[in-house]
Amino acid sequence: QVQLQESGPGLVKPSQTLSLTCTVSGDSISSGGYYWSWIRQHPGKGLEWIGNIYYSGSAYYNPSLKSRVTMSVDTSENQFSLNLSSVTAADTAVYYCARDLTAWGVFDYWGQGTLVTVSS
Amino acid sequence: SSELTQDPAVSVALGQTVRITCQGDSLRSYYASWYQQKPGQAPVLVIYGKNNRPSGVPDRFSGSSSGNTASLTITGAQAEDESDYYCNSRDSSGNHYVFGTGTKVTVL
Repeated sequence: QVQLQESGPGLVKPSQTLSLTCTVSGDSISSGGYYWSWIRQHPGKGLEWIGNIYYSGSAYYNPSLKSRVTMSVDTSENQFSLNLSSVTAADTAVYYCARDLTAWGVFDYWGQGTLVTVSS
Repeated sequence: SSELTQDPAVSVALGQTVRITCQGDSLRSYYASWYQQKPGQAPVLVIYGKNNRPSGVPDRFSGSSSGNTASLTITGAQAEDESDYYCNSRDSSGNHYVFGTGTKVTVL
């Protein structure tokens, strides 16, 4: 069974960088066939795709966040990460990591999500 | 436009049928997938492709598409189907994803 688990600080100060890691079990990130995505949900709002990354490091980012987003992958640890710079209160959200079944363009496994609050 | 528009809320009587729609230009080129989300939980994939259900999803869930509109139908709605539902597809570039605005389904 594929499982994803987000980890990282739950509180980030404005103007700092939000950093989260997703640890994957039950599948190898480097097996290919999947991208690995980050998705967020503002409190009481809908879902927003942030971006995704392949095991090779190839990544795509939401154009609205592209200037602030960097993703990376660590195949040895079977993890992928999100960095979002210059955060403001508008970046307060639940952040999910998900497996992106690229051939179908769907997210078939999700982490439980982690709430990140931006506040001083 | 890369937006996907859904009705904010719909209601359905227990055991009846409800259809949730998702409209967007990208749906002319790409299939929508559908996700069910209960409060405090991560979304769960319920329909993808032309009309495919992941293992474990009841067959009362079905999907269809026509032109720029995708639909999720729940035939014989159950109390446990009361959730938020989101559609999703690639955008016009094919390299990015966009989610619908979400529909809250209430089972009466």
